[in-house]
Amino acid sequence: GQQLNQSPQSMFIQEGEDVSMNCTSSSIFNTWLWYKQDPGEGPVLLIALYKAGELTSNGRLTAQFGITRKDSFLNISASIPSDVGIYFCAGLAIGGGADGLTFGKGTHLIIQP
Amino acid sequence: GAGVSQSPSNKVTEKGKDVELRCDPISGHTALYWYRQSLGQGLEFLIYFQGNSAPDKSGLPSDRFSAERTGGSVSTLTIQRTQQEDSAVYLCASSVKFNVLYTGELFFGEGSRLTVL
Repeated sequence: GQQLNQSPQSMFIQEGEDVSMNCTSSSIFNTWLWYKQDPGEGPVLLIALYKAGELTSNGRLTAQFGITRKDSFLNISASIPSDVGIYFCAGLAIGGGADGLTFGKGTHLIIQP
Repeated sequence: GAGVSQSPSNKVTEKGKDVELRCDPISGHTALYWYRQSLGQGLEFLIYFQGNSAPDKSGLPSDRFSAERTGGSVSTLTIQRTQQEDSAVYLCASSVKFNVLYTGELFFGEGSRLTVL
């Protein structure tokens, strides 16, 4: 099946720092999505990208759909304590297994006081 | 409620017992998904339903795992003869899916945390 390589696995940062994480794949995806999971909750969609090269912002979050359709990154500017959680990338390929949706293994974001 | 509802939120059971986990999706969502998340790990796909049928059961780890969905709504995930390695959070999600308008946006419940002693 398709696999996503998400990095870094975890990040320890200071409040106010910028954060960058990315996902790469050997397969092409039609859509890239970024989810966030707060402790004890289910993941929630942050940003969805539907077109190669697309750059989308949502407040302090910015994500891009790579031009090759095989990668995506998520940036968080000026991190705050509520940004703590696990961030998952996901790629959607119509007709693929798991209803076409493949998740990365997640990036654990930890903000040090 | 307006979101995906899962029960129980926590379940502790003894090895060898059967457990049933329930998911009530958002009203009108045609697709329903089960994922498993081991401690601090990623999301492992188990099964998905479109309506009452399950086109893809490839993620079920063994024949001890089964799932059904009735009336295009509530789904139950059953684990028979539980083992300690079944301990995890079981997440259910639902989505609206109309052919090419499938966006990949899933709405997740808070999960059912299963502990097998």
